[in-house]
Amino acid sequence: DMKVTQMPRYLIKRMGENVLLECGQDMSHETMYWYRQDPGLGLQLIYISYDVDSNSEGDIPKGYRVSRKKREHFSLILDSAKTNQTSVYFCASRRGTNAETLYFGSGTRLTVL
Amino acid sequence: GDSVTQTEGLVTLTEGLPVMLNCTYQTIYSNAFLFWYVHYLNESPWLLLRSSTDNKRTEHQGFHATLHKSSSSFHLQKSSAQLSDSALYYCALSPNSGTYQRFGTGTKLQVVP
Repeated sequence: DMKVTQMPRYLIKRMGENVLLECGQDMSHETMYWYRQDPGLGLQLIYISYDVDSNSEGDIPKGYRVSRKKREHFSLILDSAKTNQTSVYFCASRRGTNAETLYFGSGTRLTVL
Repeated sequence: GDSVTQTEGLVTLTEGLPVMLNCTYQTIYSNAFLFWYVHYLNESPWLLLRSSTDNKRTEHQGFHATLHKSSSSFHLQKSSAQLSDSALYYCALSPNSGTYQRFGTGTKLQVVP
């Protein structure tokens, strides 16, 4: 069963709190991604992970960091969350080449108050 | 760098009319892949179409698109809109040397009776 699972689905945090978003996939895909989705801005790439402990900044990495200690698991961490990080966050994974589709999780809606 | 442009933020159509959602792109890579993803509310985005072949029509689930490298376009079309087509549509680019997919800002398609 090809699946990308994100936890939690909804999260409310106060400004300055730390946030951990978790993502898992059961397809043994090497490459995983974190995107954020905002109205009018679309899906913006935060970080890419090519495999365990092999991560690269995307287009908007400021204020975020990631961790990938197992191939099937990829975490997004917000140290001291800010109100402008309120967004919907999507994790995705992909196998192989640039021809392949991304498989997305169902998203985490984060609200930072 | 690479970029994808979707000029319409919102397209509202009457059921039965044809659909055309615009997508243009910029890339230095000759064999980039172009994708259309559809995102229904409260679901995960998923792949609708993809192509890297110039001037070849690609079809899936009643939608079609043709990649035109001369005009850097990959417009999404459907002959007759259905109410169930109402969703957010993303065009995305994956360069042949890269591991990322860069998304446009998305077009919300709203089909009304």
